[in-house]
Amino acid sequence: DTEVTQTPKHLVMGMTNKKSLKCEQHMGHRAMYWYKQKAKKPPELMFVYSYEKLSINESVPSRFSPECPNSSLLNLHLHALQPEDSALYLCASSQEAGWYGYTFGSGTRLTVV
Amino acid sequence: AQSVTQLDSQVPVFEEAPVELRCNYSSSVSVYLFWYVQYPNQGLQLLLKYLSGSTLVKGINGFEAEFNKSQTSFHLRKPSVHISDTAEYFCAALNFGNEKLTFGTGTRLTIIP
Repeated sequence: DTEVTQTPKHLVMGMTNKKSLKCEQHMGHRAMYWYKQKAKKPPELMFVYSYEKLSINESVPSRFSPECPNSSLLNLHLHALQPEDSALYLCASSQEAGWYGYTFGSGTRLTVV
Repeated sequence: AQSVTQLDSQVPVFEEAPVELRCNYSSSVSVYLFWYVQYPNQGLQLLLKYLSGSTLVKGINGFEAEFNKSQTSFHLRKPSVHISDTAEYFCAALNFGNEKLTFGTGTRLTIIP
């Protein structure tokens, strides 16, 4: 298995909702990442997990809460989002943090209404 | 700190013509370099990567890139493009030991029939 799987593919949520994005990989990678991509922009790093521990938080607002329950799974919990948080959320993994060969998932297209 | 510059935001090319997408990087230490492709409403797919060794790197879909240390460039080339190559192309850099993959602003490649 050489894929990073993200669910759901599309999500529409209200500003008072709580939802979660899920990312899974079975490549034995020990680093996992969340990126946010706005339209016509490059991906921007949000969080890095290394060996299930949060190693980088790029000053992301607390309404985004990451979780890494095990080495194969990465979640992003969403609460009280704003319309400007609408974007494509990409998950990626690599063998080790900072190790070459990032594999990206196909993303979750999030719309906040 | 590392940075990646893609000077061309859009490149229109006739079908079966050659193409070069430009990428320059700046870094005070050695870097790994990557090209990713993103088709509409999809995640990022790795086209090729330079880690060390031969400066000419061959990737998928007939693309290749050449690492030029003196010019700090990593330009992407294809000798003959196809309609299916229409996509956004991102150059990215990763410093040795750094966990943050830095992206350029992207180049939209449009193939003209």
